[in-house]
Amino acid sequence: GENVEQHPSTLSVQEGDSAVIKCTYSDSASNYFPWYKQELGKRPQLIIDIRSNVGEKKDQRIAVTLNKTAKHFSLHITETQPEDSAVYFCAATQPNTGNQFYFGTGTSLTVIP
Amino acid sequence: EAQVTQNPRYLITVTGKKLTVTCSQNMNHEYMSWYRQDPGLGLRQIYYSMNVEVTDKGDVPEGYKVSRKEKRNFPLILESPSPNQTSLYFCASSLLDEQFFGPGTRLTVL
Repeated sequence: GENVEQHPSTLSVQEGDSAVIKCTYSDSASNYFPWYKQELGKRPQLIIDIRSNVGEKKDQRIAVTLNKTAKHFSLHITETQPEDSAVYFCAATQPNTGNQFYFGTGTSLTVIP
Repeated sequence: EAQVTQNPRYLITVTGKKLTVTCSQNMNHEYMSWYRQDPGLGLRQIYYSMNVEVTDKGDVPEGYKVSRKEKRNFPLILESPSPNQTSLYFCASSLLDEQFFGPGTRLTVL
C-alpha cells in the first residue's frame, strides 16, 4: 500500500516567518493530497488540498505544491501567526479506493510571538 | 447543523469487555471511516465504508469490527479490547474527498 512520510516532526518559527512542511509518498497512483490542521484537543480540519493535475494551489497565507515526478508535496505557510500553532497532517489517496486514506505522522508547529 | 457525532467521548474499560463506539453523520455522506491517533504515528485508518453494507479494511483493522446498516451510522466495535487499543479514535465522513471528522473518543483499556 501507500506510504506517506512527513518532515519535520516538530517545527518552531518566529511570528511573521514562513513555515514549510514536506511529505513524500510512494505510490504514483495517488492523486489527491489534503492537508489537515489539528489544534490541541480538537478534531483535524481540512485547510487545503491539491490534486495530481495541479502543481500549486494557494489560499491566502497557505499554499501547497506538488511534484509528481519526485512524489513529494509541501505545505507553505507565510507570515505565520500564533494561531497557526497546531499539528499538521498530510495525506494521500488514490482514485477508486472508496476513500482509503494514508496520513503522515504529523508536524507540530509552534509559532513564537 | 452539519456534523459528525461520536459517543462516548471518553471511555475507560477493562481488557476483554466488549464495547461499541457510535458514529453518526447528518450530511448524507456516502463515505465514512474510522481512524486511531497515537503519538508519533499520526492518523491510521482502521476501516472505511463506501456505502451501506460496503466496508473495507484500512491499515490497522486487527481487533476491530464495523457495520454500516444505515447510511448515517458507522459504529466501531471492539469485541475483546486490549491495552494496545488505548488510543484516540476519530470517525469521519465525506461526500467526495474532504473528510469531516467527529470530535474524537478517548479510549483507555486497563
